Amino acid sequence: DAGVTQSPTHLIKTRGQQVTLRCSPKSGHDTVSWYQQALGQGPQFIFQYYEEEERQRGNFPDRFSGHQFPNYSSELNVNALLLGDSALYLCASSLGEGIGHKGYTFGSGTRLTVV
Amino acid sequence: GQNIDQPTEMTATEGAIVQINCTYQTSGFNGLFWYQQHAGEAPTFLSYNVLDGLEEKGRFSSFLSRSKGYSYLLLKELQMKDSASYLCAVRDLERAGNMLTFGGGTRLMVKP
Repeated sequence: DAGVTQSPTHLIKTRGQQVTLRCSPKSGHDTVSWYQQALGQGPQFIFQYYEEEERQRGNFPDRFSGHQFPNYSSELNVNALLLGDSALYLCASSLGEGIGHKGYTFGSGTRLTVV
Repeated sequence: GQNIDQPTEMTATEGAIVQINCTYQTSGFNGLFWYQQHAGEAPTFLSYNVLDGLEEKGRFSSFLSRSKGYSYLLLKELQMKDSASYLCAVRDLERAGNMLTFGGGTRLMVKP
């Protein structure tokens, strides 16, 4: 039973560039949420996708956008990268729009470094 | 809004017991989660509390007091592999259960 898979695992980008991160949810899950985790911090909610729509959004600028495909996989796009965007980006999957008592299943993340 | 506080770091000895506290302030509480995260790895689910009281699961237990906005994670018979960060996260009713708000995490170091 495949868990949540994210690609790439590591990425280095230059300030001002654009980046796309990818996520495949755990088998049987249909909802994908994205979190940003700065070094030594807890994860911060970016947004959630369900039924190919953005359902909830955290306090992140419009430079952060996403998409969900019919197979439930998802992409996170960040435009005009800033040094402060350097972080671990976590994808979390779940079944249904709400978070059940088992919470999310997280992927191992994509480590983005902006130089 | 929400505010979740937990200690930044803790150190304990192998075989001992450690308690990691979490306090929260939220406009609409609807459940509290604890996750374990080893360095460079995905957070993994440990426990969920929505009613007051203690939930026990093997060496790990989690307690919740909604009136005090307080939870703790208790780890017994500590093992070296328990060295990790422990994340407290709250689900907010006003967000229709669609997101978790995490504390900054507690980095636990287990020493021989």
